[in-house]
Amino acid sequence: GAVVSQHPSRVICKSGTSVKIECRSLDFQATTMFWYRQFPKQSLMLMATSNEGSKATYEQGVEKDKFLINHASLTLSTLTVTSAHPEDSSFYICSARVLAGSYYEQYFGPGTRLTVT
Amino acid sequence: GQNIDQPTEMTATEGAIVQINCTYQTSGFNGLFWYQQHAGEAPTFLSYNVLDGLEEKGRFSSFLSRSKGYSYLLLKELQMKDSASYLCAAMDSNYQLIWGAGTKLIIKP
Repeated sequence: GAVVSQHPSRVICKSGTSVKIECRSLDFQATTMFWYRQFPKQSLMLMATSNEGSKATYEQGVEKDKFLINHASLTLSTLTVTSAHPEDSSFYICSARVLAGSYYEQYFGPGTRLTVT
Repeated sequence: GQNIDQPTEMTATEGAIVQINCTYQTSGFNGLFWYQQHAGEAPTFLSYNVLDGLEEKGRFSSFLSRSKGYSYLLLKELQMKDSASYLCAAMDSNYQLIWGAGTKLIIKP
């Protein structure tokens, strides 16, 4: 299957600072990438859909000025958590969608565990 | 509205068989996905069904009935490493995945 990488895997930052998370599709081009957040023992929550070369589409309740998404190329999308607060501590997972024959498959990066102190 | 239902938790014995059910309601339908997620890790793709019937892949099989809005994941010869959460997701008419809350599967020796 397709490989998606995510960096960093873990990050600890101080409250008020910004953190950038990178998501790369390694062996395919992804026109669409997704950013999810997952709190402990809860399901994935879609934050935004990112299409290459255009503005991301944010889900209801997700602040676009706080969670900046840039999808500048077909293999790279970045999520920047600005002015992070302890409540932003979570597991952030990116996913890339790829056309496999006549249907779409969706592959996940390994995730980034963010801890804001 | 769009909705995915699956049991919260199931327990099974090592070596046995377990079936995890999923019902879905979506705006349009472009397939049903199953993912496995171990604690602290990202989900990994297990299976995809878009036509009615059973798809077998080693110890794992997935079934779909489009008319009933129903799918199940069947795990055979359970191993301790199969302890994980199993996520059911349906792809809607916009090719967006609608996620269930996941079923935590506990395997006992």
